[in-house]
Amino acid sequence: DGGITQSPKYLFRKEGQNVTLSCEQNLNHDAMYWYRQDPGQGLRLIYYSQIVNDFQKGDIAEGYSVSREKKESFPLTVTSAQKNPTAFYLCASSKGLEDGYEQYFGPGTRLTVT
Amino acid sequence: QKEVEQNSGPLSVPEGAIASLNCTYSDRGSQSFFWYRQYSGKSPELIMFIYSNGDKEDGRFTAQLNKASQYVSLLIRDSQPSDSATYLCAVNAFFGNEKLTFGTGTRLTIIP
Repeated sequence: DGGITQSPKYLFRKEGQNVTLSCEQNLNHDAMYWYRQDPGQGLRLIYYSQIVNDFQKGDIAEGYSVSREKKESFPLTVTSAQKNPTAFYLCASSKGLEDGYEQYFGPGTRLTVT
Repeated sequence: QKEVEQNSGPLSVPEGAIASLNCTYSDRGSQSFFWYRQYSGKSPELIMFIYSNGDKEDGRFTAQLNKASQYVSLLIRDSQPSDSATYLCAVNAFFGNEKLTFGTGTRLTIIP
């Protein structure tokens, strides 16, 4: 089955620790995205990547880092510099510029930092 | 002014009636428009997208786009309790840019 997987579903960390969220897709999509969702708010774009080995900052990139070494994978690291890291993190992918802008989401990772 | 605006609701609709969800956007150059459904605690699911002015129908769902007035709407016919969710509107600014801007969503409740 084609799809987007995110792991883990729930993640708990202590303040001051870096944490890496996994996102893998087997849809052969070129573009991948990371969003953050806080209660009662819409999705805010953290980083996105349109091709391997290239990525761009979104609207709220501070305190986050990403890599795109493989087409299928786009991990997100939440660093200790992120002031309010507790949130629902969503990874998405899309076919790319030539084939459509529809984005499809993974199941999400709920991160709690105390 | 927010780039994509939606009424947060909650919007309550009787079962079997038509639910109408609205979204306005500020960037007149916007080209592509999407509706996502998000159940509580789950990730968003794409249900409709529309690129041209007019109506686009898919089963019980109809998306309507009016670029001159800068609004896009989603109609759900024969509403079912399973349609109770938050509906997110998303807008793509222009061809060549894959970023979507999301509204904060409208919470829809279908009353049996």
